[in-house]
Amino acid sequence: GDSVTQMEGPVTLSEEAFLTINCTYTATGYPSLFWYVQYPGEGLQLLLKATKADDKGSNKGFEATYRKETTSFHLEKGSVQVSDSAVYFCALSGSDSWGKLQFGAGTQVVVTP
Amino acid sequence: EPEVTQTPSHQVTQMGQEVILRCVPISNHLYFYWYRQILGQKVEFLVSFYNNEISEKSEIFDDQFSVERPDGSNFTLKIRSTKLEDSAMYFCASIAGGKGEQYFGPGTRLTVT
Repeated sequence: GDSVTQMEGPVTLSEEAFLTINCTYTATGYPSLFWYVQYPGEGLQLLLKATKADDKGSNKGFEATYRKETTSFHLEKGSVQVSDSAVYFCALSGSDSWGKLQFGAGTQVVVTP
Repeated sequence: EPEVTQTPSHQVTQMGQEVILRCVPISNHLYFYWYRQILGQKVEFLVSFYNNEISEKSEIFDDQFSVERPDGSNFTLKIRSTKLEDSAMYFCASIAGGKGEQYFGPGTRLTVT
């Protein structure tokens, strides 16, 4: 079945550092790919998405490119802020599903001043 | 901005008791979901609901679980006889249709003692 694997955390960075969170997936067909963010005490918020190969999703300085050849959707940000401290989830929605999301384990990011 | 709401935010119950978790999806949305997240683990899909019936469910969603949309606004998850392993954060989500963005509620933390 479909699955998502993302790097384990926590990832601890200093402010203004470069952030990468690796995400790879296994799926049949052409899934849609997502990054969700969960701030402390809050629900899941969509950060960005890509629905087909080579699409780049971007939002709030974060970017991820849908790479079908490597089945990857790595999240990057060039200069993180303390406010980016959160848990980040990579997820996919299969092409034949009713929109159901398959999540990775989540990566906690801690940004220190 | 429209949002998904969930009540209660925290529910404590004894093993064997029935619980009902409530969600109010965004008003013009058509597809509804429940997910759960056991502490320290990944977010797992439970069930999707469309046109007043279950469209897809996971292996977790056994006969102890049921969902209902009783009045056109609420979307409920009932656990008939709770077990210790049902302790988790339960998230409700909704989308307008197709491959739209899933909007998540803030979650209900269920603690079974």
